[in-house]
Amino acid sequence: SAVISQKPSRDICQRGTSLTIQCQVDSQVTMMFWYRQQPGQSLTLIATANQGSEATYESGFVIDKFPISRPNLTFSTLTVSNMSPEDSSIYLCSVEGTGRNTEAFFGQGTRLTVV
Amino acid sequence: GQNIDQPTEMTATEGAIVQINCTYQTSGFNGLFWYQQHAGEAPTFLSYNVLDGLEEKGRFSSFLSRSKGYSYLLLKELQMKDSASYLCAARGDSSYKLIFGSGTRLLVRP
Repeated sequence: SAVISQKPSRDICQRGTSLTIQCQVDSQVTMMFWYRQQPGQSLTLIATANQGSEATYESGFVIDKFPISRPNLTFSTLTVSNMSPEDSSIYLCSVEGTGRNTEAFFGQGTRLTVV
Repeated sequence: GQNIDQPTEMTATEGAIVQINCTYQTSGFNGLFWYQQHAGEAPTFLSYNVLDGLEEKGRFSSFLSRSKGYSYLLLKELQMKDSASYLCAARGDSSYKLIFGSGTRLLVRP
């Protein structure tokens, strides 16, 4: 299994500012994903972070709002830009395992509150 | 379109058995996953099915019927610590991304 370190674990931010979330994995992985989990809801995929190329965004998410970097096979960042209270959520980094099941492993998440 | 449906909430008694159902519609199919998520924590992997049938792992079992687009998670000998949300997720195509259901909040009562 992969060990994922995500930081910050939580933050309270002013509206209009930006926050960058970091995700560090203890081994090289091909696939890294960023999810959002709004209060009381399930996980929604924001984008797939691709190493060496632009991230692939899901419907409803755009690069200007959620720029993503993936400089190597063990690290990625997600920035939440020009924040509003509606961006208050838990943001989770995820990677795929290399075992038979190729299940997804998750970081502990970043609990973001925008005031 | 792609869709995952599961009940919103369930309640069960300590020591009993509970079955959480999930139906899915995806474009292609490459596996059905169950995750457990305690409040304030990240999801943790429970089980994976890609072929029809039952996969057993201790107190937890998961079943899949691909022809019916249906899965269930069976929890036996329920313990208080099993109170959590249970997320059903499907992998539709070969891109490895998962589509999650809304989650089932399970409350285990004494």
